[in-house]
Amino acid sequence: DVKVTQSSRYLVKRTGEKVFLECVQDMDHENMFWYRQDPGLGLRLIYFSYDVKMKEKGDIPEGYSVSREKKERFSLILESASTNQTSMYLCASSPGGTAYSNQPQHFGDGTRLSIL
Amino acid sequence: AQSVSQHNHHVILSEAASLELGCNYSYGGTVNLFWYVQYPGQHLQLLLKYFSGDPLVKGIKGFEAEFIKSKFSFNLRKPSVQWSDTAEYFCATRPSGTYKYIFGTGTRLKVLA
Repeated sequence: DVKVTQSSRYLVKRTGEKVFLECVQDMDHENMFWYRQDPGLGLRLIYFSYDVKMKEKGDIPEGYSVSREKKERFSLILESASTNQTSMYLCASSPGGTAYSNQPQHFGDGTRLSIL
Repeated sequence: AQSVSQHNHHVILSEAASLELGCNYSYGGTVNLFWYVQYPGQHLQLLLKYFSGDPLVKGIKGFEAEFIKSKFSFNLRKPSVQWSDTAEYFCATRPSGTYKYIFGTGTRLKVLA
């Protein structure tokens, strides 16, 4: 079965810290995504990657960066955490390039991040 | 910009009631449409999808959705809900030839036993 694993379910960090959220998928998917989920706002795309070392900004990239050194792993980095980055973070993956746009995403369980 | 609208933010139903959740998308080209469900404390999972063919698609757990191109709509339906359908439901689209999925803001469904 398809598996997207996020390294932590809950995380508490302090303002100004550098925070790393890790995501691993075991499906050999080319595409990986990071979203944040906030009540009433749905899922907002932060960054995505369509290949190793390739990344594209999503709708809300400010204050975040990403790294994809290996196909199965996609990391989200909060360079200097702020309280407005308290949220649920979701990682997802999907197969192939643009020719596979009818394929759904597979999601991890999410990381609930609190910045104090 | 492409967008997805879910007009019902919160829905409360009694068991056995019928359900219809609205979803409208803005993209005029070829689209791929999805409904996801997120049960409390769980990850998002796919309910059903449409990309071509019969505009009435059936998914898991008795859900179905109808693609109406002229209305840019992809509404989710279930004839008789159960308490276990309490969850948040998200409509999403991925325009053909792109990488990005575009999500609606979600609808929280509460089913009263």
